[in-house]
Amino acid sequence: NAGVTQTPKFQVLKTGQSMTLQCAQDMNHNSMYWYRQDPGMGLRLIYYSASEGTTDKGEVPNGYNVSRLNKREFSLRLESAAPSQTSVYFCASGTAPYGYTFGSGTRLTVV
Amino acid sequence: GENVEQHPSTLSVQEGDSAVIKCTYSDSASNYFPWYKQELGKRPQLIIDIRSNVGEKKDQRIAVTLNKTAKHFSLHITETQPEDSAVYFCAASIGGSYIPTFGRGTSLIVHP
Repeated sequence: NAGVTQTPKFQVLKTGQSMTLQCAQDMNHNSMYWYRQDPGMGLRLIYYSASEGTTDKGEVPNGYNVSRLNKREFSLRLESAAPSQTSVYFCASGTAPYGYTFGSGTRLTVV
Repeated sequence: GENVEQHPSTLSVQEGDSAVIKCTYSDSASNYFPWYKQELGKRPQLIIDIRSNVGEKKDQRIAVTLNKTAKHFSLHITETQPEDSAVYFCAASIGGSYIPTFGRGTSLIVHP
């Protein structure tokens, strides 16, 4: 039982490059989320998916796109990376009041 | 939408002291309040949570209290140990909803 699995763990991109962060959960959760974590800013919601087939913007969606491929998988894509997107990205799944489970994170640096 | 304020941003205590972290929320419909601990370089992990029909919940050295009228909730850690050093996040969400709103975090430092 892996919980929430994220790949890759580390990535360095050049400005303008694109990449996709992968997330998969095996807990049969309907809802999944992508957060970014920056020093002093806490966890800010980028996009979420309430259920398979639906996605919605969170607090900081600009520069990102998402795909809910099936119930298990929720990917985050950066089409043209910018230095401001240097951050740690966390995928999570779950629903109140049962708690949320986080992946191990992706540390992304854009140079 | 929901807004969660968390204080203090940094808390430094001596080993054995108690630590208290406070959060306030804005949406009176919120009814689920989890707390997460994040050690350096690791993922946030749930340590305790409380639902709005309960005023207090304890788990060994950790307790959470909720005041629905004032819309605030607090994390209490007693007999702190160096391994309690981490960043702690509070969150609020509406049961059945799917969007937890997190506070900005408190960096707890426990000095041996």
